[in-house]
Amino acid sequence: AQSVAQPEDQVNVAEGNPLTVKCTYSVSGNPYLFWYVQYPNRGLQFLLKYITGDNLVKGSYGFEAEFNKSQTSFHLKKPSALVSDSALYFCAVRPNTGGFKTIFGAGTRLFVKA
Amino acid sequence: SAVISQKPSRDICQRGTSLTIQCQVDSQVTMMFWYRQQPGQSLTLIATANQGSEATYESGFVIDKFPISRPNLTFSTLTVSNMSPEDSSIYLCSVLTGANTGELFFGEGSRLTVL
Repeated sequence: AQSVAQPEDQVNVAEGNPLTVKCTYSVSGNPYLFWYVQYPNRGLQFLLKYITGDNLVKGSYGFEAEFNKSQTSFHLKKPSALVSDSALYFCAVRPNTGGFKTIFGAGTRLFVKA
Repeated sequence: SAVISQKPSRDICQRGTSLTIQCQVDSQVTMMFWYRQQPGQSLTLIATANQGSEATYESGFVIDKFPISRPNLTFSTLTVSNMSPEDSSIYLCSVLTGANTGELFFGEGSRLTVL
């Protein structure tokens, strides 16, 4: 079965430190990979995506993500965390078989302490 | 991009009643989706809203419980029928504006509490 795993329910980091939010997937072929962020009482906002090409993709608010095909991972990173980055982060995968269904991970809550 | 408005933003409902959620998009889109986000859980796709035809439901979701309308390319409704406390969730409207390599855009969600 196709799935997305975010192994950490919560990540705590101090402001100014680098952050990593982990994501691995189990989807056949070469799926499209996405990260979204959800602030309290808001819908999801798109951060970045990997379709093809360079394994390091850059997105909104200084976030970037590294695609690793051999490890089927797509970890979200930021060199220097801000308190305002505190939110719920979702990794998502869409199989490249021509359909439009997107599979979401369980989400990781990021807390950035001042 | 797309701007999506959902109504109501939240509601408290009584068991056994039904509620219709509206989703309005500021541009014509081909693909519209309805997701459910149960408390503390991830997003689960309920159905794809197809313009001019019946919605395509995911496993575990049926039309009698979640009837969907899509009268045109900018509007859709999701009805949650005969509600029970287990239906307490955030319901999210989402659209895909381009090819299947594109990102989803989401409304701010409708938070339903069923008593």
